[in-house]
Amino acid sequence: GNSVTQMEGPVTLSEEAFLTINCTYTATGYPSLFWYVQYPGEGLQLLLKATKADDKGSNKGFEATYRKETTSFHLEKGSVQVSDSAVYFCALTRNTGGFKTIFGAGTRLFVKA
Amino acid sequence: EPEVTQTPSHQVTQMGQEVILRCVPISNHLYFYWYRQILGQKVEFLVSFYNNEISEKSEIFDDQFSVERPDGSNFTLKIRSTKLEDSAMYFCASGVGVAGVETQYFGPGTRLLVL
Repeated sequence: GNSVTQMEGPVTLSEEAFLTINCTYTATGYPSLFWYVQYPGEGLQLLLKATKADDKGSNKGFEATYRKETTSFHLEKGSVQVSDSAVYFCALTRNTGGFKTIFGAGTRLFVKA
Repeated sequence: EPEVTQTPSHQVTQMGQEVILRCVPISNHLYFYWYRQILGQKVEFLVSFYNNEISEKSEIFDDQFSVERPDGSNFTLKIRSTKLEDSAMYFCASGVGVAGVETQYFGPGTRLLVL
């Protein structure tokens, strides 16, 4: 079946450090891939997406590239800020037979000043 | 920018009571969803709805749950007889599903506490 695995947290970084959160997926067909962010006490916000192999999604300094050969969609940011502290969810949406979204377990990021 | 809205933001209920969670999806969207997130856990799919019927549901979505689109704007989730384990954040989402590609936009959630 379809599934998403992402690195366990929490991840603690100092401000301006480089961030990588690993995400791999298992899927039949060709899913779209997403990163969602959840700030404390809030809902899910779409951070970025990629809909086909080799696409790069980017937003607010975050990037992720859809790698079909390694079934990965790792999230990166060159210089994190305290305001990036949140939980990050990797997710896939099937594009056939319905658009059910499957989420990873989430990775909590703490950024220290 | 259009967004998905949900009401109420918080709901406290007694075990065995019925609750209705309400959502207003983005107006031109065609696909509607409910997800839930038990505190500290992953977001889980409950149900998808398209063309006025359920297109898929998870094993969580048993006979206690139902969904409805009573008019052109609202999308509701009803839990008939709540259990303690129904305590969670419930997220509504909507999407367009153009050319077989779907991006889902999530509402802010309703936090349900069953006592």
